[in-house]
Amino acid sequence: QKEVEQDPGPLSVPEGAIVSLNCTYSNSAFQYFMWYRQYSRKGPELLMYTYSSGNKEDGRFTAQVDKSSKYISLFIRDSQPSDSATYLCAMNPPGAQKLVFGQGTRLTINP
Amino acid sequence: GAVVSQHPSRVICKSGTSVKIECRSLDFQATTMFWYRQFPKQSLMLMATSNEGSKATYEQGVEKDKFLINHASLTLSTLTVTSAHPEDSSFYICSARVWLEMNTEAFFGQGTRLTVV
Repeated sequence: QKEVEQDPGPLSVPEGAIVSLNCTYSNSAFQYFMWYRQYSRKGPELLMYTYSSGNKEDGRFTAQVDKSSKYISLFIRDSQPSDSATYLCAMNPPGAQKLVFGQGTRLTINP
Repeated sequence: GAVVSQHPSRVICKSGTSVKIECRSLDFQATTMFWYRQFPKQSLMLMATSNEGSKATYEQGVEKDKFLINHASLTLSTLTVTSAHPEDSSFYICSARVWLEMNTEAFFGQGTRLTVV
């Protein structure tokens, strides 16, 4: 079993829809959670990070963490074609240097 | 956010030659950098952790003699693919860690697409 599971998709939704991206994890030591966006042939870009259960909002993006269920989500409101990318979740326990990544979900927003 | 610059963005080389990829932290000092490899439509695979002034730590299955990593300064790490072969063709990405609210967050370079012919 992988430490972090993420549905690779692809996921295709119409412009303006609310998108929900999810990851589950098995290691209860994970305390820090990140979401990255990666456009084709580019390096990943940090979107959001959080280290506690609950919600964190930044513009159209909301990161949600449920440590009791070992489940994290990224919501995108009013999705735009420019949001089309691969979204990777990542996490690590305190003090660890290495991040553990999900497989990434390929998202397409159709105009 | 912090800026990590990776160069070149794309390189084509002949089989048997060596290729060097540079990763620079532009506005901060990075004691630790990471090198990843990514195959099409797959996630990032960590190859090695590069610590300034010491030997890199390689992940299991990664050939140390083939993928030479040097981290001679706090702003520069290099990955050299030696005696490259077509199976080494891939997307290579570096990252550096920056402290943000009690944790270190990774900022990535733009990636280098290596094609060995």
